[in-house]
Formats: sequence, structure tokens, C-alpha cells
Amino acid sequence: DIVMTQSPDSLAVSLAERATINCKSSQSLLHPSTNKHHLAWFQKKAGQPPKLLIYWASIRESGVSDRFTGSGSGTNFTLTVSSLQAEDVAVYYCQQYSSDPRTFGQGTKVEIK
Amino acid sequence: QERLEQSGAEVKKPGASVKVSCKAFGYTLTDRHLHWVRQAPGQGLEWMGRIDPSGGGTLYAQKFQGRVTLTRDTSLNTAYMELSALRSDDTAVYYCAKEIWHFVLWGRGTLVSVSS
Repeated sequence: DIVMTQSPDSLAVSLAERATINCKSSQSLLHPSTNKHHLAWFQKKAGQPPKLLIYWASIRESGVSDRFTGSGSGTNFTLTVSSLQAEDVAVYYCQQYSSDPRTFGQGTKVEIK
Repeated sequence: QERLEQSGAEVKKPGASVKVSCKAFGYTLTDRHLHWVRQAPGQGLEWMGRIDPSGGGTLYAQKFQGRVTLTRDTSLNTAYMELSALRSDDTAVYYCAKEIWHFVLWGRGTLVSVSS
């Protein structure tokens, strides 16, 4: 199984400041069949289903604020929130879809400082 | 507009089984694989398994092997997740999710509470 490890577990950022979340996979997520990185980022708020933010490591889902940016390659990936807003308080998860079983990172809780 | 509509909350006793449904609207269930993910209170997201609604083929997370069964009824455009031998630590919100490589559409979740 591919193990996904996020860091940090939590972070507190001032409004309008940048938040950076890292995600490391135990194997490369560059898939030979697509030549793409099979990595997605989700935002999870209490009482709501996960919301897809980023897929293919760096493609922003339609309707997602351009404050959210995904980057990285191989086994190291990053989600950046360029200017944190109050509505961005949530838990963020990375997930690999390169192989089964699909695995998630443990989550990173983002709060306002 | 595509959406996945899940069945309502359930309260079960330890040792019982629960069956959660996930009905697809706006698309044909057989077009894409459907996955099940759960989140226990205070815990992260946990993948349980997937079904290919077209042929019915399934793949389960090792942790749930022997306790979870994924099925579908194509005439109802509905998928089902049945979990047996429930324990208190199965208390969680259970989600279904449509895959197009990544999980592009989620149900709103079904709370399953297990308590004596």
C-alpha cells in the first residue's frame, strides 16, 4: 500500500497570510499509463462531504478559488493557500489514486492565528 | 446536475449489520466506479472499497475484508454498502464517491451509530 504522510498535522495562519501543507507518498505517484501524478487534495469541513480542490497534483477543480494551488512531483507534493480567509478553516487531505487501495494522508488542520 | 443521494442515519447494536444506499442522479451509475469512504469521529478519511457498477466487480480494503459487501442495482441506479458484525468503532459517517480517476463527486454522507 502507498503510505501518504502530511505535514504539519496542524497549523495556525493569520488572515491574508500563506498556508502551506506538504504531502509525501511512499512511492512515486507518476503513473506510466497517464504520465501524470495521481494526487488529489480535498478540503473537509465538519458536517460536509470532502470537497475536491486539486487533481492531477496541480489542476484546480472548477469553481475552486485560485487562492488554492497544488504543486509537486514524484513523491513530494504541496498545497498552498495564498491568502488565508476565514472560510478556509478546515482539515485538508491529500489522496493518491495511483493504485489500490486508495490512501489518504492523515489530514492537516488549518486554523486562524 | 449530477449528485449522489445517500440513505438516512442508522442506529445499530453491536453485532448487527447495516446497509447504506447511494443513488446516482444525473448520470448512469454504470459509467464510473463508485467508492466508499468513512470518517469516524475525530479521525481521518478511510477508504473502504470500490465497485465497478458495470460488471459488479469489487475491491475491498484489507481491513474490511469479510465484513463489507458492495453491491449495486443498475435498474435503480443505486449502489449499496453493507457492513456486518458492527462494533462501536464502526460509528462513523459513510460516504460514497464517484471516480473519474480522482473522486469527483461525493454523497452527503450517512451517519451510522453503533451502541448497545
